[in-house]
Amino acid sequence: DILMTQTPLSLYVTPGQPASISCKSSQGLLHSDGKTSLYWYLQKPGQSAGQSPQLLVYEVSSRFSGVSDRFSGSGSGTDFTLNISRVEAEDVGVYYCMQGLDFPPTFGQGTKVEIK
Amino acid sequence: EVQLVESGGGLVQPGGSLRLSCTASGFSLNNYAMHWVRQVPGKGLQYVSGISSNGITAYYVDSLRGRFTISRDNSKNTLFLQMGSLRPEDMAVYYCARGSRWLQVPYFMDVWGKGTTVTVSS
Repeated sequence: DILMTQTPLSLYVTPGQPASISCKSSQGLLHSDGKTSLYWYLQKPGQSAGQSPQLLVYEVSSRFSGVSDRFSGSGSGTDFTLNISRVEAEDVGVYYCMQGLDFPPTFGQGTKVEIK
Repeated sequence: EVQLVESGGGLVQPGGSLRLSCTASGFSLNNYAMHWVRQVPGKGLQYVSGISSNGITAYYVDSLRGRFTISRDNSKNTLFLQMGSLRPEDMAVYYCARGSRWLQVPYFMDVWGKGTTVTVSS
């Protein structure tokens, strides 16, 4: 299985400040169709296990429908980054990267983002 | 509104069985591959299984193959996960999620249900 490694595992951010999460895969995620199968999800806090994950970014840098333009993804090969330009209170939660190039899809450990 | 609603979770003894369901609304299930992903409380996300839009092809993570069976009834817009020989380590929140039109690379999920909780304990 492809191993996905995220850093940092936790992040405390002042509202209005930027935040950045790194994700590294154990092998390249470029598909033969020229697209890279790297996705970002956010799981917001809930009563127990949290809310369900929501898709933020697909194919490295394309924002999913309705996602704020404060979120941007970048990277290539095995190194990827999710940037939040100005963190807001509603952005708290756990962020996961996921690879979809090889079965089974695998997720990073998650990065917990909290507000200072 | 596009929505997925899971049901069927609950308390089951080790070695027991459980059948999860996932009902779709706001879209036609038969146009999409579907997936199950689970999450042990406080832990990360683990992919479980996927099924093609027509139900012919199913994939499982190696560690679960033989104990879990995914299926679907497109006429009822419903996805299923039959779980058998359950172990304490299967205890998790199980999410169903919508995939792309085909069960092939790239694998991704764009719509998720709220999940159903499976507890395995005597």
